[in-house]
Amino acid sequence: QKEVEQDPGPLSVPEGAIVSLNCTYSNSAFQYFMWYRQYSRKGPELLMYTYSSGNKEDGRFTAQVDKSSKYISLFIRDSQPSDSATYLCAMRFQGAQKLVFGQGTRLTINP
Amino acid sequence: EPEVTQTPSHQVTQMGQEVILRCVPISNHLYFYWYRQILGQKVEFLVSFYNNEISEKSEIFDDQFSVERPDGSNFTLKIRSTKLEDSAMYFCASSEVPPHNEQFFGPGTRLTVL
Repeated sequence: QKEVEQDPGPLSVPEGAIVSLNCTYSNSAFQYFMWYRQYSRKGPELLMYTYSSGNKEDGRFTAQVDKSSKYISLFIRDSQPSDSATYLCAMRFQGAQKLVFGQGTRLTINP
Repeated sequence: EPEVTQTPSHQVTQMGQEVILRCVPISNHLYFYWYRQILGQKVEFLVSFYNNEISEKSEIFDDQFSVERPDGSNFTLKIRSTKLEDSAMYFCASSEVPPHNEQFFGPGTRLTVL
């Protein structure tokens, strides 16, 4: 079983739609959860991070962690064409420095 | 807004040659990292560096790799004898302090080994 799994997509939705992006993981010791956005041929850009279970909101973005199900989500409201990118989930163990990434989901928002 | 910079953006080398990839982390950051992303695959951690020494490394980071902070601003990754399978995007990242959740990535160096 892979450590972090993420559907690579591609996912294509119309402008204004609510987007749901998800990752599952196998190791319950992960404590910190991040979402990065990566435009083509660019480095990952940190969107937000959460600790343990719960929700965190930042503008149009909401991150959700369900540790009991080992499942994390990123919701994008009122999606815009500029949100078109690859979205990477990443996780970290308590006390560790390395981030463990998912495969990334390629998202396209159609005008 | 401060950002991590990397040079060169693209490096082409022959198998067996040594390459040095350069990064300038964000100026007040203390922790530095290298990750790589082989085409079509996940971003993978290579190494983290703090206070002039390696603080964590992955199994990928073998004796062929080394890191250095040669001066107050640069952070380098050296690959001693490149292999075809070293072809990838190499990302440098930095963070201010623990707990290492806010790692800021540079734009990457694409390494092509022929």
